[in-house]
Formats: sequence, C-alpha cells, structure tokens
Amino acid sequence: DAGVIQSPRHEVTEMGQEVTLRCKPISGHNSLFWYRQTMMRGLELLIYFNNNVPIDDSGMPEDRFSAKMPNASFSTLKIQPSEPRDSAVYFCASSFSGQGINSPLHFGNGTRLTVT
Amino acid sequence: DAKTTQPTSMDCAEGRAANLPCNHSTISGNEYVYWYRQIHSQGPQYIIHGLKNNETNEMASLIITEDRKSSTLILPHATLRDTAVYYCIVRRRNAGNNRKLIWGLGTSLAVNP
Repeated sequence: DAGVIQSPRHEVTEMGQEVTLRCKPISGHNSLFWYRQTMMRGLELLIYFNNNVPIDDSGMPEDRFSAKMPNASFSTLKIQPSEPRDSAVYFCASSFSGQGINSPLHFGNGTRLTVT
Repeated sequence: DAKTTQPTSMDCAEGRAANLPCNHSTISGNEYVYWYRQIHSQGPQYIIHGLKNNETNEMASLIITEDRKSSTLILPHATLRDTAVYYCIVRRRNAGNNRKLIWGLGTSLAVNP
C-alpha cells in the first residue's frame, strides 16, 4: 500500500498563474478530502468527494478554486488565478465510507504552495 | 461534533512515557475519540481511537475516563521520532462524518534526548 500520493511536493509560482495539485487516493477508498493548512488557521477542509461526486465544497474559499475527481484513483485541485494569500500546504486525504462506518483518514504528505 | 481542549505544548524525555491529555466534556454517547499526529513536513497520521473502553495498538494506548469527558493518549516509550503535533478529535463513527472533523491546534510534543 503506497498510501495517498500527492504531487508536486513543492510548487512555487507567480501571482496570476494557474496551479494544479494532484492526488491519488488509496485503492479501495471511496472518500477523498482536500485540506489546506496554514499557521494562522490550522487544517481547513476545502472539499469532500464521495464515490467521485463532490458532496461538500463549502470550504472552498472562492471561485478561483476548483476540484475534480474524474475517477476513483485521481483528483485535482486547481487555483486560477493564484494569489499570494493562497500560499499554504495543501493535503489530500482518503478514507472508506459506507456500511455505517468510516475508516480513519489517511493523508498524503502534502504540496507546499508558494505564490509570489 | 464535540469540541476538545488540549494543552498547547508538552515535553517528554526520550525513553519515558508521554501522557497527552484531552478534555471533551461535551462528548455525546455515540461519539468516538480519535487521535492523530502530524510530524513536521508530513500529513497527519492516524494513531488510535476508542469509544469507552481503553484501547492499545502498536503505536499507543488510549485511556478514556468512565464519564468519557476526558482521555489520555500514552506513548509508552517515547522516541525522538515521536516529536509531533498530536490532535484529539471526537466524532460520530457513521458515514459522512470524516468531513466534520474539528482539528484544533493540538498539542506540540517535544521529545528530548
């Protein structure tokens, strides 16, 4: 089990550029989460998918942020255009949800985004 | 989901037991206590969870008080690699609730040589 895989590990971009973060969840997990972590606000949930369908995107800061999950093994989080205040570590996590249970969350090692 | 209260930081000597407390006085009967930790530059990692009985696994032990209003995570022989931020979270263990986790700021544990 390779765990949740995120890429890139680090991203440095200029304000106004498009940024795409990628995530491969653990095989067999049907729930996927995108989180953002900053020193000021801690871990914040951005969006939650279940069976590839976005269920809760209330944490997405604004229309510049979008997320997709075209299949069970891949998801992207896109920021267009990026701004300096988007600088943070972005985590993807997955779990199994169903039959009345939720497995614990498994996190990737994150993408550290710096927007200059 | 119920809110938790944890000390901001703790220190522990290498090889000694690290006891991390958590208060969850508003916990309801169907809420579990979960512990995660986050080592620097990594994503949070699941450690253990429990409902009302004490639990033990290869990583740690979880002691939950009889009234369930508080718990303690025990790392029996702390090593330098256990230096991390430890999060105590309570949540209902049914479908859909992973998205309702309230992470808080956790306890920053420093294991000293």
